[in-house]
Amino acid sequence: DAGVTQSPTHLIKTRGQQVTLRCSPISGHKSVSWYQQVLGQGPQFIFQYYEKEERGRGNFPDRFSARQFPNYSSELNVNALLLGDSALYLCASSPRGTAGTGELFFGEGSRLTVL
Amino acid sequence: GQNIDQPTEMTATEGAIVQINCTYQTSGFNGLFWYQQHAGEAPTFLSYNVLDGLEEKGRFSSFLSRSKGYSYLLLKELQMKDSASYLCALGGTGFQKLVFGTGTRLLVSP
Repeated sequence: DAGVTQSPTHLIKTRGQQVTLRCSPISGHKSVSWYQQVLGQGPQFIFQYYEKEERGRGNFPDRFSARQFPNYSSELNVNALLLGDSALYLCASSPRGTAGTGELFFGEGSRLTVL
Repeated sequence: GQNIDQPTEMTATEGAIVQINCTYQTSGFNGLFWYQQHAGEAPTFLSYNVLDGLEEKGRFSSFLSRSKGYSYLLLKELQMKDSASYLCALGGTGFQKLVFGTGTRLLVSP
């Protein structure tokens, strides 16, 4: 069975540009979460979507947005990129959307470098 | 808010036992998770504690004390492949969110 897949795996952008990252959850999983991991730190929560609705949002500026499609895949968009947005962006899926129950299954991530 | 503390780095020898501690301050959480992350790879789930006490899973065990705000991950019979970062995370309430610590980088030497 395929795990969580993310694309692209690596990308380089310049300041001020916009980026779209994509995630396909494990088949049957309806919840998708996005995390940002800066080098040397733990992942930081950005968004959770369940059944195509935003369930939670972390402490990130409005430049960050996301959506979930009818097939439960998801996109994360970041506008007006800053150097500090350089990080590994992780997508995680789960069969349930409820709080704190069960494990999250992470994809390999999209490594974004902003120059 | 929530605050999680873990040692930055630990070293151990192959075949030994190592305990990675995690202390936290929070107003509420549903459970405590441990994840393993090899360099350049995705975090993978190791264990989950809801109630106080010890959860054992093969070579890995995790302990939680809610009253003390304390957890640990115990790794036995260390192998070279256990060299990785170990992330302690609190499971949120209300919606599905994990708050991660900065992680403990474990280096296992021969």
